[in-house]
Amino acid sequence: GAGVSQSPRYKVAKRGQDVALRCDPISGHVSLFWYQQALGQGPEFLTYFQNEAQLDKSGLPSDRFFAERPEGSVSTLKIQRTQQEDSAVYLCASSLKNLAVSSYNEQFFGPGTRLTVL
Amino acid sequence: RKEVEQDPGPFNVPEGATVAFNCTYSNSASQSFFWYRQDCRKEPKLLMSVYSSGNEDGRFTAQLNRASQYISLLIRDSKLSDSATYLCVVNILRTNAGKSTFGDGTTLTVKP
Repeated sequence: GAGVSQSPRYKVAKRGQDVALRCDPISGHVSLFWYQQALGQGPEFLTYFQNEAQLDKSGLPSDRFFAERPEGSVSTLKIQRTQQEDSAVYLCASSLKNLAVSSYNEQFFGPGTRLTVL
Repeated sequence: RKEVEQDPGPFNVPEGATVAFNCTYSNSASQSFFWYRQDCRKEPKLLMSVYSSGNEDGRFTAQLNRASQYISLLIRDSKLSDSATYLCVVNILRTNAGKSTFGDGTTLTVKP
């Protein structure tokens, strides 16, 4: 595909359940970002990968959140023991270069996964 | 205080109007700046980068004032299709890494 894809598009989880959200970035893109977007707010940075290396995870809200990109392409964001406050849209974005090479890198966003925790 | 602040609006303007959005950022180490557009229930998409000298793309003009830590977006001759939320984005780079900080957006509705 030409763009960033995410799956599932919608996820309803019971409180305490574990969830896994998948991101397929644009082929060849070095950088991958995860964001959390609550209703009426802008995307909040969660974590950044350069290829398979997770270089910044300062935005992950708790140790229940874990992200990986083992082969430098597909990434998974896992949330353990989900809580109601985890309900949000989770956006994945990729960009061609790493931020150290070019700070003016366009980020291409996927459609997001809307997570609802009951 | 948020690192990137925007007037949330909403801005309701008639077609053909000129409208300006402002954004302030608090981290003086910020290095690159952008405006993204987000339609309702869609993903953000890059509208334009913001360069130190200011830049223009058709009806859109972006300005950066590093001394005041302020970014602006001007839209001339508004179209109905300009109705969206406009997100101000600031990149802070660290060695081999970085972080993008988004504002909460300014909502624009252009009416006939």
